[in-house]
Amino acid sequence: NAGVTQTPKFRVLKTGQSMTLLCAQDMNHEYMYWYRQDPGMGLRLIHYSVGEGTTAKGEVPDGYNVSRLKKQNFLLGLESAAPSQTSVYFCASSYKTLDREAKNIQYFGAGTRLSVL
Amino acid sequence: DQQVKQNSPSLSVQEGRISILNCDYTNSMFDYFLWYKKYPAEGPTFLISISSIKDKNEDGRFTVFLNKSAKHLSLHIVPSQPGDSAVYFCAASAPWWGAQKLVFGQGTRLTINP
Repeated sequence: NAGVTQTPKFRVLKTGQSMTLLCAQDMNHEYMYWYRQDPGMGLRLIHYSVGEGTTAKGEVPDGYNVSRLKKQNFLLGLESAAPSQTSVYFCASSYKTLDREAKNIQYFGAGTRLSVL
Repeated sequence: DQQVKQNSPSLSVQEGRISILNCDYTNSMFDYFLWYKKYPAEGPTFLISISSIKDKNEDGRFTVFLNKSAKHLSLHIVPSQPGDSAVYFCAASAPWWGAQKLVFGQGTRLTINP
């Protein structure tokens, strides 16, 4: 059982280049999330999705776009990368359930380390 | 505006002793709190959680305490082991967040010394 898989693991971009980060989960989770982690800032939510075909903005959405065409995949796109987007990106997923404890437990991928020069 | 704060960036504890990690929050509407553990080059993994209707939750060596009046929670690890060396994040959730969004603190790096 792979859980949440992120590709690529590392990437270096030049300013202005574009790229897509892929997240795939095999747990049949309804909800998926993209976070970025920066030193001293913790994890901040970029975008999230409550189901196939739906997405919503999180805390820091500017400069990013997302798509959820299939339930198991959640894509994060950078159309024109900037040095401020240098970060570690984490994808997560969670169940849709009425169980208050289970619904809050998010399962994370191993992260993508992105450097924008 | 940091709604969840972990004011200690790092903590060093001797093996076998108690580790206490602290977390403060500002939004009184938060009703569920979680602790995640993160090793280098890995994603965070869920450790333990607590609902706002409780003031304590215990799971083996890990206990989380919640003080709602002080808007403070703490994670106790007893006894501390070398494998506990990691970054610990606290997170909070609000009941109106239908998508189960979490707000994370900045993290505390715990080092267990032999």
